[in-house]
Amino acid sequence: GAGVSQTPSNKVTEKGKYVELRCDPISGHTALYWYRQSLGQGPEFLIYFQGTGAADDSGLPNDRFFAVRPEGSVSTLKIQRTERGDSAVYLCASSLNRQGASGANVLTFGAGSRLTVL
Amino acid sequence: DQQVKQNSPSLSVQEGRISILNCDYTNSMFDYFLWYKKYPAEGPTFLISISSIKDKNEDGRFTVFLNKSAKHLSLHIVPSQPGDSAVYFCAASGEANFGNEKLTFGTGTRLTIIP
Repeated sequence: GAGVSQTPSNKVTEKGKYVELRCDPISGHTALYWYRQSLGQGPEFLIYFQGTGAADDSGLPNDRFFAVRPEGSVSTLKIQRTERGDSAVYLCASSLNRQGASGANVLTFGAGSRLTVL
Repeated sequence: DQQVKQNSPSLSVQEGRISILNCDYTNSMFDYFLWYKKYPAEGPTFLISISSIKDKNEDGRFTVFLNKSAKHLSLHIVPSQPGDSAVYFCAASGEANFGNEKLTFGTGTRLTIIP
């Protein structure tokens, strides 16, 4: 697609429920990133995929958070047993990041999915 | 441990004047620095970047300056326009090789341009 698409744009759920957030990256972008932005903070790294595999999941806060990218394109961020502290905007980004390439890795972000846990 | 810091949460500038946004970092291994701009309800959009081997990069009204010894960079916008009102994030990364290219962001500075 022309840009990074994220659905849903807004999700309200109750504490303890399971949530899935979807990201459709720019066609041809091999790298996909998930970030979380809380109020008044900058985007905080969660996980990064190169193709189908998670290259770096060091930002996932705990084992309630999981992400997949089974075919190397669309990705789903899954949050189990949601807590009020999970409320944030979840941002997805993609890039053309090529192994061995030089230059700044410019990420293109989607508009985000705003998650509210009541 | 905040590796990228933006110490000014907000800044107001008269239209037509220069806006200067500042950013400090602690990790001397960063190779690239980027500035992103964010409007409400939208994702951050890329503005300009600079390599750690440069001290200045210019693109139209936007110039980024890097002082590597001070671990400090700044974004200059001149002349400032009402459409520049947004939150600006400073970000840093390693070399764009497999493994260390994720971006680390600062907390942002809200810029308001006064007509």
